[in-house]
Amino acid sequence: GESVGLHLPTLSVQEGDNSIINCAYSNSASDYFIWYKQESGKGPQFIIDIRSNMDKRQGQRVTVLLNKTVKHLSLQIAATQPGDSAVYFCAEKIETSGSRLTFGEGTQLTVNP
Amino acid sequence: ETGVTQTPRHLVMGMTNKKSLKCEQHLGHNAMYWYKQSAKKPLELMFVYNFKEQTENNSVPSRFSPECPNSSHLFLHLHTLQPEDSALYLCASRGDFGGSSIQYFGAGTRLSVL
Repeated sequence: GESVGLHLPTLSVQEGDNSIINCAYSNSASDYFIWYKQESGKGPQFIIDIRSNMDKRQGQRVTVLLNKTVKHLSLQIAATQPGDSAVYFCAEKIETSGSRLTFGEGTQLTVNP
Repeated sequence: ETGVTQTPRHLVMGMTNKKSLKCEQHLGHNAMYWYKQSAKKPLELMFVYNFKEQTENNSVPSRFSPECPNSSHLFLHLHTLQPEDSALYLCASRGDFGGSSIQYFGAGTRLSVL
C-alpha cells in the first residue's frame, strides 16, 4: 500500500557538517511534500515544502530535493548546528486526498559539538 | 510559538475517568485536526474538522469523542480509555489561503492511561 518512510532511523553528524535526511514515498499521485522538525517536548514544526512540479527548493540553510523518478525526497541542512538536533519527518499529500497528509516515521538527527 | 495552544500539556488518567483535551488556534484557520503520536510510529490522523464540521473520522474508537464548537477551538473528550491509548495527542490547524496544505501543530498533550 501507500507509505511514506525514511531510510535511516538515526543520523549523527558533527557540528558544522552538512546533513542529509532521506525519505521514500510510494504513491506516484503525491503532488505535495512537507518536511517537519520535532524537538523534544514540542510539536512538529514546519520547515519547508515542495510541490511535485519542482525538483528543488531552498530555504534558510535548508534545501529540499525531489526526485519523482525514484520517488525520493531529501532534506539537506547546511552547517548543522546543535539546535538542529531533533526528529525530522516528511509528509506527503496525495492529489485526490484533499488536505490529508501522510507522515513518515522520522529520523532522529543528533548534532555532536 | 506556532499559534496553536494545547492544554493540558500532561495528563494522567485511570481507565474509568473522563477527561477532555483542549486545542485553540489563533491563526484564523478553518481546518483543525487531531493526531495520535506513539513512539516509533508515524503520526496517525484521528479527526478532521472544516468550518466546524467533521469531515473525517479515521476509524477512531468511540471512547474518543471530538467536539468543535467554532473554527478556533477543538476538544477531544476521553472516556473509558485503555493503556494502549497512552500517547502524545497533537492538534493541528490549517488555513485555506492559496490552497495551502501546511498544518501547524500545537505542542501536544502527553497522555498516560493507568
